[in-house]
Amino acid sequence: EAAVTQSPRNKVTVTGGNVTLSCRQTNSHNYMYWYRQDTGHGLRLIHYSYGAGNLQIGDVPDGYKATRTTQEDFFLLLELASPSQTSLYFCASSGTTYAEQFFGPGTRLTVL
Amino acid sequence: SQWGEENLQALSIQEGEDVTMNCSYKTYTTVVHWYRQDSGRGPALIILIRSNEREKRSGRLRATLDTSSQSSSLSITAAQCEDTAVYFCATDNRVVGQLTFGRGTRLQVYA
Repeated sequence: EAAVTQSPRNKVTVTGGNVTLSCRQTNSHNYMYWYRQDTGHGLRLIHYSYGAGNLQIGDVPDGYKATRTTQEDFFLLLELASPSQTSLYFCASSGTTYAEQFFGPGTRLTVL
Repeated sequence: SQWGEENLQALSIQEGEDVTMNCSYKTYTTVVHWYRQDSGRGPALIILIRSNEREKRSGRLRATLDTSSQSSSLSITAAQCEDTAVYFCATDNRVVGQLTFGRGTRLQVYA
């Protein structure tokens, strides 16, 4: 079974702060995704990647950077955090296109 | 029905009842995913139905797909309290490998 882990699980920062969210998957999946989840909006895709060194822009990329350093590791960077980025962030991975996505447990980020 | 600008839907039913959740999508898709999200956890796939399938079953779950009307449904037969969760549909309808999620249906099953 695919395993996707995220760290930290909870994070509080201040406006203008620098935050890095980490995601690791251990099932050798090619695709990894970062989503944010807000009440009433479902899951919205921020960035995704086809493999190490690859980065694709999702639906809501403004204010976010991402980096895929290895097949296993995908990072989401908020360099100047704003209160509008307070949200629940999920990482996911999948082996191929149109295939099941496996989600991590989520990181709750609060920007004061 | 979940999509577009619609708010998160909420359904409340009694244990033992049947329930159907609907999902409409805007463009062609080759597959519809149905995910379930329990409180405090990430979503998990429960049924995946492809465009060449009209119906798919898994235990008490039944998904349908009507490509002509661009809609899908998820039905739960004889709902149990443990079916309480938020249910999302998602489609691959734009970029390869990119899912677009609906806003979800919050289902509460009470004893």
